Amino acid sequence: KNQVEQSPQSLIILEGKNCTLQCNYTVSPFSNLRWYKQDTGRGPVSLTIMTFSENTKSNGRYTATLDADTKQSSLHITASQLSDSASYICVVRKPNNAGNMLTFGGGTRLMVKP
Amino acid sequence: NAGVMQNPRHLVRRRGQEARLRCSPMKGHSHVYWYRQLPEEGLKFMVYLQKENIIDESGMPKERFSAEFPKEGPSILRIQQVVRGDSAAYFCASSRSGEQYFGPGTRLTVT
Repeated sequence: KNQVEQSPQSLIILEGKNCTLQCNYTVSPFSNLRWYKQDTGRGPVSLTIMTFSENTKSNGRYTATLDADTKQSSLHITASQLSDSASYICVVRKPNNAGNMLTFGGGTRLMVKP
Repeated sequence: NAGVMQNPRHLVRRRGQEARLRCSPMKGHSHVYWYRQLPEEGLKFMVYLQKENIIDESGMPKERFSAEFPKEGPSILRIQQVVRGDSAAYFCASSRSGEQYFGPGTRLTVT
C-alpha cells in the first residue's frame, strides 16, 4: 500500500533553534516529493519540491533532502521563528494524472516557543 | 490573482441536514480536487473534476456525497443527511495542469 509516514508527530522547540522533520514513503514509482506548511485553519502551502533525481532543495531557512534509494526525506528548519509554528506535511506525487496522484503524510505539528 | 476561495469557512449542521461546500478555483484553473482531513490525520483525496466533468471520484463515499463543477460558478461538494462522522475539514485545490494550490478549507461540524 502506498504510504507516507512522518515523524515526529509533534515537536516543541525554542525560538532560534534548528529542527529536522522526517518523512518515509513507500509510494513507488513517484514523480516528485513536496513539503507543505499548513498554518492552523489554513490550507497547505508548498515549501519545496524535489524530483527523484534531486538530493536537496532550499527555500530560505527551509532545506529539504531526499534519498530516493532509502525512500526518505527530511525538512530542516534553521533558526526557527515563532511564525514557523504550523503543521509540516510531506506529500508524494505519483507519475499519473489520476485524482489520487497525491499521497499525504499525517504531518508533524511544530510549536516554536519564545 | 486571488487564490483558491472556499466558503463557508465554518459550517455547523445537525444530523440529517444537508451541507453544501463551495470552491472557486484560481483564475485560469480548470482542474478542481476535493480532499477531506479528519482530526489528527492527513488529507485524503475525494474527487477530481474538470469543467462539467467528474474525472475521478474513487475517493468519495458511494452514498450521500456528490460533487459538481458547472460551466459557470464554483465547484460544489454536497453531503446529504450528514452524520457525526462527516465532521472534518474539507479542502479544495485547483490547478492549471500541474501544481495544486489549496484553499483555506471549510470546517464542517455535525452536531
